[in-house]
Amino acid sequence: EADIYQTPRYLVIGTGKKITLECSQTMGHDKMYWYQQDPGMELHLIHYSYGVNSTEKGDLSSESTVSRIRTEHFPLTLESARPSHTSQYLCASSESRTSGRVSGANVLTFGAGSRLTVL
Amino acid sequence: AQTVTQSQPEMSVQEAETVTLSCTYDTSESDYYLFWYKQPPSRQMILVIRQEAYKQQNATENRFSVNFQKAAKSFSLKISDSQLGDAAMYFCAYRSLRELLVGAGSYQLTFGKGTKLSVIP
Repeated sequence: EADIYQTPRYLVIGTGKKITLECSQTMGHDKMYWYQQDPGMELHLIHYSYGVNSTEKGDLSSESTVSRIRTEHFPLTLESARPSHTSQYLCASSESRTSGRVSGANVLTFGAGSRLTVL
Repeated sequence: AQTVTQSQPEMSVQEAETVTLSCTYDTSESDYYLFWYKQPPSRQMILVIRQEAYKQQNATENRFSVNFQKAAKSFSLKISDSQLGDAAMYFCAYRSLRELLVGAGSYQLTFGKGTKLSVIP
C-alpha cells in the first residue's frame, strides 16, 4: 500500500547526541517536506526537496540538515541535539502534477510524525 | 507574507450536530489555494477539502463543506452530522499560486495554529 513512513515515532535522547529521523514514501512523489510542529502551534516548514539532490531551507530556521539521495528517502539529521529541538517533526510528500495552476492543488500526504524529546 | 488565522483554539459539538470552524487569511494575492487538513490524535494528517480562489463555488466533500468569502478573506469549514471520528485538530492552510504560475516558487503551505474539535457522544 502506497504510504509515507516515519521512524522512530518517539525518541528521547540526551543533549549533544546525533540523531537522524527517517522518512520514506512509496508513492513515487518528487516533492518532499519536513515540518516542525510544536504543541498548540501551527506547522512550520523547515526543509523541502523537489527531487534527487535538491534540497532547500524552509521559512523556519533550523539547525537540522536533510539529504535526498533517493527519490523515496528524505532523512533529517541533527548533529548535536539540544532541548530546544524538542518538538514533533512531520514528513510529507506531494503529487507531481504538471506546473501551472493545477499544480497548486497538489495535496500533501503526511507521515505519522516523529516526536523528539531532548533532555 | 501570507498569514492564516484560526481564532478558535478549541471547539466542541454534539454528535450528529453541525459545527463550523473559522479561518481567515491575509494576502495581497488574488490567485491561491486554500485547504483544510485534519490531524486525529497520534495519527497522520489528512486532507479534508480544498478550494481554488479562482472558483466562486464552495467546495463540498460529503459531510464537509466550506464557506469561501474571498472579499472577506474567510474560509470556514462546516461539518454536518458530526461523528465521533471527526474529533481531531483541524488546520487551515494557504498556498500561493502567483509564483507557481510563472514556474517559480515553492509548493509550501502556510498553516494556521489549528482548532481542536471534540465530539460529545
